Order: sequence, then structure tokens, then C-alpha cells
Amino acid sequence: GESVGLHLPTLSVQEGDNSIINCAYSNSASDYFIWYKQESGKGPQFIIDIRSNMDKRQGQRVTVLLNKTVKHLSLQIAATQPGDSAVYFCAELERTALIFGKGTTLSVSS
Amino acid sequence: ETGVTQTPRHLVMGMTNKKSLKCEQHLGHNAMYWYKQSAKKPLELMFVYSLEERVENNSVPSRFSPECPNSSHLFLHLHTLQPEDSALYLCASSQVWGGSYGYTFGSGTRLTVV
Repeated sequence: GESVGLHLPTLSVQEGDNSIINCAYSNSASDYFIWYKQESGKGPQFIIDIRSNMDKRQGQRVTVLLNKTVKHLSLQIAATQPGDSAVYFCAELERTALIFGKGTTLSVSS
Repeated sequence: ETGVTQTPRHLVMGMTNKKSLKCEQHLGHNAMYWYKQSAKKPLELMFVYSLEERVENNSVPSRFSPECPNSSHLFLHLHTLQPEDSALYLCASSQVWGGSYGYTFGSGTRLTVV
């Protein structure tokens, strides 16, 4: 079946750098995407979402970009902090349920 | 706290035991979900309940039995599990089923089958 996937399983950055986490999806009919953050011992936490009629959406220190032509989603984190260390998942709404990718582990060093 | 509470946080059970996982949401949401999270695998959708009715069952073995007595509570009854069922079981809720809304997750129950 079609699924959402991430390009890299791990990403290591220095505190203060900008981070970019990528995700490729295969279902061109998907019209809603979400990024989640999961810290150790916790459930996934909503970060930001975007609908397919947009190509960019900004939140506090985070930006999601959607490129429907190549079916690519990215999460940009500005001025990455140690507290941003976590696993990041993208998810797409496929028919009636969220389908998740495997996740990228972001490690931030001071 | 996210508004979705799962108990217990940790559970160790033998393969012949029967146990239940509980999920409670205080968000006024109408849809609730069970996901399984295994190491190095994406979250797998198990069951979906909308307005207390089961609307999806993703080919989950019958040793997992969900129950939704009301829109605020969701249970996952477990019996004769296998070691490969060891995982983090996550409950989530959303305002409506199928709508473009984010899910709110609980912290999960870490299940170990011995």
C-alpha cells in the first residue's frame, strides 16, 4: 500500500543551527499532513499541520513546506535548541485515518 | 498532560494472562484510536471508534479486543498475547473521524509480553 516515509533516520545538529527534516509521501490524493514530535517516554505531540491547498505554513520557530509536484514535505526548525531533541514523524490523512512515517531522530548538541 | 490519559504506563504480562489497557479523554472528541508503536517501525493503526462505534479494524489479531463504552473511554483487552506483541500502545482522539484535524495522543502503555 501507499505510505509516508522519511528520508533520514537520524539528524544531528548544533544548538542554534537550523534543522530540516524531510518526508516523502506517495499518495497524491492526500490533502492533509501533520508533523509530530515524540520525546522519550511520551506520546506524539502535534507540532504543525498543512493542507494541500497551501505550500507553506509557519508556526513558532517551525515552518512546514509542501511540494505536491514531487510529493515532498519538510519541517524546518529555526535556532534548534536541546529541547528539540526528539523523534519527528510526518503523517498524512489517508481516507479516514492518519498514516505515519518511520520517524527521524533529531539530536541537538550544545 | 495532553487531555488523553492512558493507564497503566507499564505492563508486563505472561502469554496466558488477560489484561486491559485503558484510555480516557477529556477533550469532548468524538473519535478515538488505538495505535501500536514497535521499535524501528511506523505507528500502526489498530482500531478506530467514531461515536462509540467501531469503524475500522486493521486486520488486528483477535487476541486484541477493543471496547468503547462511551465517547470518553476506550479499552484494549488483551489475552493470550505473543512476545512479538510487546510494544508501546498509544491511544489518540480527534474531534471527528475522518476530518482534517490533528490527533491528540496519550503517553502510551509500554507492554512487555514474557
